[in-house]
Amino acid sequence: KAGVTQTPRYLIKTRGQQVTLSCSPISGHRSVSWYQQTPGQGLQFLFEYFSETQRNKGNFPGRFSGRQFSNSRSEMNVSTLELGDSALYLCASSLIPQAATYGYTFGSGTRLTVV
Amino acid sequence: SQQGEEDPQALSIQEGENATMNCSYKTSINNLQWYRQNSGRGLVHLILIRSNEREKHSGRLRVTLDTSKKSSSLLITASRAADTASYFCATDATIRQGAQKLVFGQGTRLTINP
Repeated sequence: KAGVTQTPRYLIKTRGQQVTLSCSPISGHRSVSWYQQTPGQGLQFLFEYFSETQRNKGNFPGRFSGRQFSNSRSEMNVSTLELGDSALYLCASSLIPQAATYGYTFGSGTRLTVV
Repeated sequence: SQQGEEDPQALSIQEGENATMNCSYKTSINNLQWYRQNSGRGLVHLILIRSNEREKHSGRLRVTLDTSKKSSSLLITASRAADTASYFCATDATIRQGAQKLVFGQGTRLTINP
């Protein structure tokens, strides 16, 4: 079965712009989580969605938002981009929430560069 | 802040040798997981060990967990060039009742030399 699909793979944006990243989880998986990876901060939890509801949110400013659709696909949006938002954004899916108990399946990520 | 710290930050060995990576964490856990990441791509789940387990095997991988020392190790035996990657430990952290997230270490960069 298909894995977790993230689009686009690469993105270059200018400071002040906004960006939307997409994640399609494994078929049947209803929980989607987002993580940001940077060289300085490592992997940081952004948020988790389940059944179109945000269950958890990490310690990121309100410029970072997301949503989940009825088909479990998720999008995350970053508004008013800053240089520090340059990162690899990883999406992870699982059958149910609390995947920290069972393990996630990650997508290949979207590499965002803000110039 | 990162829950885990990994040691060493980088490791370079010859193909066929064993590679050992260590992870320490700060708070109590329900489980600890190891992930592999190839060259800035997605994370691949390798193995999960629960807090009541001391050792777990999966193919050439062996993971140990010592909850009294809040540490874990990942051993890769008979390394191959394809094992070249970054390896991360991750622990479950409870945000609130019924809500969890993974907290990752900074990772160990493993290079297997032919």
